[in-house]
Amino acid sequence: EVQLVESGGGLVQPGGSLKLSCAASGFTFSGSAMHWVRQASGKGLEWVGRIRSKANSYATAYAASVKGRFTISRDDSKNTAYLQMNSLKTEDTAVYYCTRSPLGFDYWGQGTLVTVSS
Amino acid sequence: QSVLTQPPSASGTPGQRVTISCSGSSSNIGSNYVYWYQQLPGTAPKLLIYRNNQRPSGVPDRFSGSKSGTSASLAISGLRSEDEADYYCAAWDDSLSGQVFGTGTKVTVL
Repeated sequence: EVQLVESGGGLVQPGGSLKLSCAASGFTFSGSAMHWVRQASGKGLEWVGRIRSKANSYATAYAASVKGRFTISRDDSKNTAYLQMNSLKTEDTAVYYCTRSPLGFDYWGQGTLVTVSS
Repeated sequence: QSVLTQPPSASGTPGQRVTISCSGSSSNIGSNYVYWYQQLPGTAPKLLIYRNNQRPSGVPDRFSGSKSGTSASLAISGLRSEDEADYYCAAWDDSLSGQVFGTGTKVTVL
């Protein structure tokens, strides 16, 4: 059974940092691109970014709204993807989901809430 | 700000057919696959349609997708109460070099 479990969310002050983790199981993690998608309360889905597999040079891509502040990485030995968030803004407050591709985002985690507030 | 535009709401009675549109541009829908997701209240999104019109295993054939030019559509036939949810289209955007989602459509079963 495919499972994606996010962790690391919480309350952080504006300008602060937070690192989210996404633990994967039930599929060949090392061969899959991993993505982060967020959703502010009552709002729509927003793609945050992705990291491709080793075969694709671990290439990353980011939404313009987070580029330069967020970094996606992965540890294939631990079947885990990460989202390092720096210089957080109040508008980054959202539930953050990890998901995988390539035939669409076919499996999603349950999400972890990040609240940026003073 | 989403680059894929959907109507904010759609509705129908049980058994009816509902269609949701998704309007984009040549840099996204016009040149890449379209995907559709269903999000029930309080849950993570679920993949309904991939590569314009393909259904993942387990998705009822009441759901169908199509694409023409820079627009796409999701049709739900034989509407059921459990179809009440938010629906999002998505596609890769070559200009933005990123995935983009639609604005979302809330489907209500009357």
